[in-house]
Amino acid sequence: AQSVTQLDSQVPVFEEAPVELRCNYSSSVSVYLFWYVQYPNQGLQLLLKYLSGSTLVESINGFEAEFNKSQTSFHLRKPSVHISDTAEYFCALPGMDSSYKLIFGSGTRLLVRP
Amino acid sequence: NAGVTQTPKFQVLKTGQSMTLQCAQDMNHNSMYWYRQDPGMGLRLIYYSASEGTTDKGEVPNGYNVSRLNKREFSLRLESAAPSQTSVYFCATTGGVHQPQHFGDGTRLSIL
Repeated sequence: AQSVTQLDSQVPVFEEAPVELRCNYSSSVSVYLFWYVQYPNQGLQLLLKYLSGSTLVESINGFEAEFNKSQTSFHLRKPSVHISDTAEYFCALPGMDSSYKLIFGSGTRLLVRP
Repeated sequence: NAGVTQTPKFQVLKTGQSMTLQCAQDMNHNSMYWYRQDPGMGLRLIYYSASEGTTDKGEVPNGYNVSRLNKREFSLRLESAAPSQTSVYFCATTGGVHQPQHFGDGTRLSIL
């Protein structure tokens, strides 16, 4: 069965510090992975995606994630966070069937403090 | 702007009342989804529709029904609301497995 595990429910960090949000997955088929961000009282927005090719993927706002097949991980990193990065972050994996549904991790709340 | 529109944004119901949550997308996608979001549990799939005229159960379908009215619209109905259905409900759509899902802003539903 496929699954996504986000190990940290909340990550507090000071502004301008680096951060890593962890995501591990389980899948027996070819893997595509996504990170979504949810700002307060909003829906989810795609942050970045891994489909194939380079294992390091980047977003337009400074986040990056590295696909590691041997460790079955897709951790999200940012070298210097801003207050505006405070949000909940979800790692997700497409299901194996034809529904194209997403299997989500439980989410990590990033709290950036001044 | 293209996207997914959900109505209403907020609703409070009493136990046993019924309600329909509406969702419309103008992205011309075939697949549409209803998820519920609960603290510490991520998003769980309630129902989905792979194309107009088809619907299928997801992970947590009990207590819900859906209707794919046309390609644009996918509604979720609670026939007899229960406090356990207090949640934030999200509608989403996608063009395929390699493409991201696009989400509405959610409906925050409280059942007393």
